[in-house]
Amino acid sequence: EDQVTQSPEALRLQEGESSSLNCSYTVSGLRGLFWYRQDPGKGPEFLFTLYSAGEEKEKERLKATLTKKESFLHITAPKPEDSATYLCAVQRGAAGNKLTFGGGTRVLVKP
Amino acid sequence: SQTIHQWPATLVQPVGSPLSLECTVEGTSNPNLYWYRQAAGRGLQLLFYSVGIGQISSEVPQNLSASRPQDRQFILSSKKLLLSDSGFYLCAWSFGSGTDTQYFGPGTRLTVL
Repeated sequence: EDQVTQSPEALRLQEGESSSLNCSYTVSGLRGLFWYRQDPGKGPEFLFTLYSAGEEKEKERLKATLTKKESFLHITAPKPEDSATYLCAVQRGAAGNKLTFGGGTRVLVKP
Repeated sequence: SQTIHQWPATLVQPVGSPLSLECTVEGTSNPNLYWYRQAAGRGLQLLFYSVGIGQISSEVPQNLSASRPQDRQFILSSKKLLLSDSGFYLCAWSFGSGTDTQYFGPGTRLTVL
């Protein structure tokens, strides 16, 4: 059974204080790892897809990296508008398009 | 560009009442469609997915059912709601082939009292 564990569950940062979120996964035949951002009361917003170990992707202050066992989402010099819950999900090659999600990390950036 | 709509946005229903949530996608043909539920403080749980009209796969045995009467329409239903059906229901779509990314709608907040 595919498993995704995100840590920490919650993260409080001062504006400008860089940090990293962790997503550990167990999946047989990873097809892709996905990061989403979710604001309260809204649907998740797609951020990145990573397909192979060593791959990195960036978008503004966010950078996602992937190894064979985990993924990191680095937030560089965060701003209050980066406050959200960040969700990680994996897709197994033999499971069609199904995603298995982790519990998320709630990030609060204080000015 | 593609857009996904869900309605209603919020719903309060008594236990034992029926349910119908609707999801439509614009700007693409033959998408894969998904229903997820997000309970308070928990991750997303896949409920149903569909690769075409009338083709529904169920992931979790439960009180809910799904239908796809048209190519870009996905409906989540229940004949009798339970308290445990409360949650945030999200519809998502992905391209039928190639790109695997799923794009989510705005969600429906369901409270069963």
